[in-house]
Amino acid sequence: GAGVSQSPSNKVTEKGKDVELRCDPISGHTALYWYRQSLGQGLEFLIYFQGNSAPDKSGLPSDRFSAERTGGSVSTLTIQRTQQEDSAVYLCASSLAGASGYTFGSGTRLTVV
Amino acid sequence: KNEVEQSPQNLTAQEGEFITINCSYSVGISALHWLQQHPGGGIVSLFMLSSGKKKHGRLIATINIQEKHSSLHITASHPRDSAVYICAVSGNNDMRFGAGTRLTVKP
Repeated sequence: GAGVSQSPSNKVTEKGKDVELRCDPISGHTALYWYRQSLGQGLEFLIYFQGNSAPDKSGLPSDRFSAERTGGSVSTLTIQRTQQEDSAVYLCASSLAGASGYTFGSGTRLTVV
Repeated sequence: KNEVEQSPQNLTAQEGEFITINCSYSVGISALHWLQQHPGGGIVSLFMLSSGKKKHGRLIATINIQEKHSSLHITASHPRDSAVYICAVSGNNDMRFGAGTRLTVKP
């Protein structure tokens, strides 16, 4: 597609359940980022994929968070045993390379109840 | 101290005013980005800078690498410019964000 696509756009889940968030980057973009924005807070880096290199996971807040990027394209962010503090908008962005312009998806709003 | 500091946090202007938002950073960077986040939450990348100045329509972004400082200017501001403007710096892999400047332009 023309932009970065994220799904679902909204997700409400019960505390303790696992959730999967999906990001479809722009075709050909080798770099993919996950960020999150908690209510009233700034953007927080989570994880970075660049081509076939090992991802930079330095921003993941706990081992309940993991992400995969299959075939260098679609990425899935998985949150296990969700907690209320995981409630946030999860944003994905992609770019041609690590330091070129980014295109953001519209985000997934996750609410843990 | 945050690695990326923006000022002001909030800014209210009258339509037509010239607006400046400032960003200072304390880490080495490969590029600096200005992002715009509208009330619905969508984020648009406005500029990516590694030196000098860029202009797009009524928006101008400048960066001084030696002083580790960037400014975003909006000329002839309009109510549709109302948004949160976020400064971000990118290093090798990650991107670090300022807290954002909430701009409200009144008609």
